[in-house]
Amino acid sequence: DQQVKQNSPSLSVQEGRISILNCDYTNSMFDYFLWYKKYPAEGPTFLISISSIKDKNEDGRFTVFLNKSAKHLSLHIVPSQPGDSAVYFCAASGEWGSSNTGKLIFGQGTTLQVKP
Amino acid sequence: NAGVTQTPKFQVLKTGQSMTLQCAQDMNHEYMSWYRQDPGMGLRLIHYSVGAGITDQGEVPNGYNVSRSTTEDFPLRLLSAAPSQTSVYFCASSYGSREKLFFGSGTQLSVL
Repeated sequence: DQQVKQNSPSLSVQEGRISILNCDYTNSMFDYFLWYKKYPAEGPTFLISISSIKDKNEDGRFTVFLNKSAKHLSLHIVPSQPGDSAVYFCAASGEWGSSNTGKLIFGQGTTLQVKP
Repeated sequence: NAGVTQTPKFQVLKTGQSMTLQCAQDMNHEYMSWYRQDPGMGLRLIHYSVGAGITDQGEVPNGYNVSRSTTEDFPLRLLSAAPSQTSVYFCASSYGSREKLFFGSGTQLSVL
């Protein structure tokens, strides 16, 4: 059973607009969340993270929002640029003592295309 | 600074053959892990290690073995390759499982 889900396989936005990528999780023991970005033929690279004690974390054009009650997080990219076109993965880590201690579980990924 | 180095980049195997995917990191990271990426499935954790001599299973460990004799190296062994193991494999490392992972560039494996 997929514990971390990205239900939108793809997203297309116009340059300069906002991109919103969504992620849902099922395990309430997850308490740390990360977003990774992946270009073709390369390994994923870390983008931004958020702890469950926060509901928002911002880094430049990237903001991650966490809604614990809904078990939902989202990544906002404003403004979107053509160089942001990539696959975005969300990932979750379990708190110490949980069955997911030591594991980073990824979603299926969302392919973002930013059109010039 | 090499980061995480994976070899080989490409490999073709016949069903039943064995091979080892190599992974080395030069960042003195304690935590290392192996993932496979398949279309529509995202990245799935195969095995991970929180330090030398310590390994544990991830989400999809069957058909794979690992060992961690040094901090730097974390090889992944396929004992008897199957077509279902055709995938792109990524090795990653970090200071801890709750720290950001640094990924290698991947190994594309085809099992015929």
